[in-house]
Amino acid sequence: DAMVIQNPRYQVTQFGKPVTLSCSQTLNHNVMYWYQQKSSQAPKLLFHYYDKDFNNEADTPDNFQSRRPNTSFCFLDIRSPGLGDAAMYLCATSVFSNEQFFGPGTRLTVL
Amino acid sequence: KQEVTQIPAALSVPEGENLVLNCSFTDSAIYNLQWFRQDPGKGLTSLLLIQSSQREQTSGRLNASLDKSSGRSTLYIAASQPGDSATYLCAVRLEGNKLVFGAGTILRVKS
Repeated sequence: DAMVIQNPRYQVTQFGKPVTLSCSQTLNHNVMYWYQQKSSQAPKLLFHYYDKDFNNEADTPDNFQSRRPNTSFCFLDIRSPGLGDAAMYLCATSVFSNEQFFGPGTRLTVL
Repeated sequence: KQEVTQIPAALSVPEGENLVLNCSFTDSAIYNLQWFRQDPGKGLTSLLLIQSSQREQTSGRLNASLDKSSGRSTLYIAASQPGDSATYLCAVRLEGNKLVFGAGTILRVKS
């Protein structure tokens, strides 16, 4: 089945230790998104790639970076995680501006 | 700034009941509206997408309506089942592929 895959599902890191979250898709969608969802809150868009074009949200902290080496993969890098970065990180894809399909998420814990 | 509100925040109903979840948004300049389901600790599952030119969409026991001029959408669930228990999120798509989410309605269907 075509799908959006996120690895790992659970990630524990230490305060200030860089961490990378991975997203891959078999849908061949041209747009990939990263959202942050804190407990009991709405998902919040961090950034997205429209093909190779990177689009950062104005309020996304500089601590968060992203890479998209090819159509299928997209990475979220958190350079120096703080306690406030503990959240569920959701990856999504779409064809142009159509329906978005989400992966299962990675739950990040910062100790 | 677009804001999305969902009412009620939580809902508990007996099995078999029909129910309506509400979503309102402050700016009618949207491209589409999408309803999602989220199970605890999981990612988002797309339920229905309504384009801005459409009034409603149906999938099985689900029916979503959109009144763009008044900034409202409803999700109607017929003959609710315990398996429908989850958090339901609505999101509006803005220019630039951005989805703005509501905080969700937590639904519990009691058997």
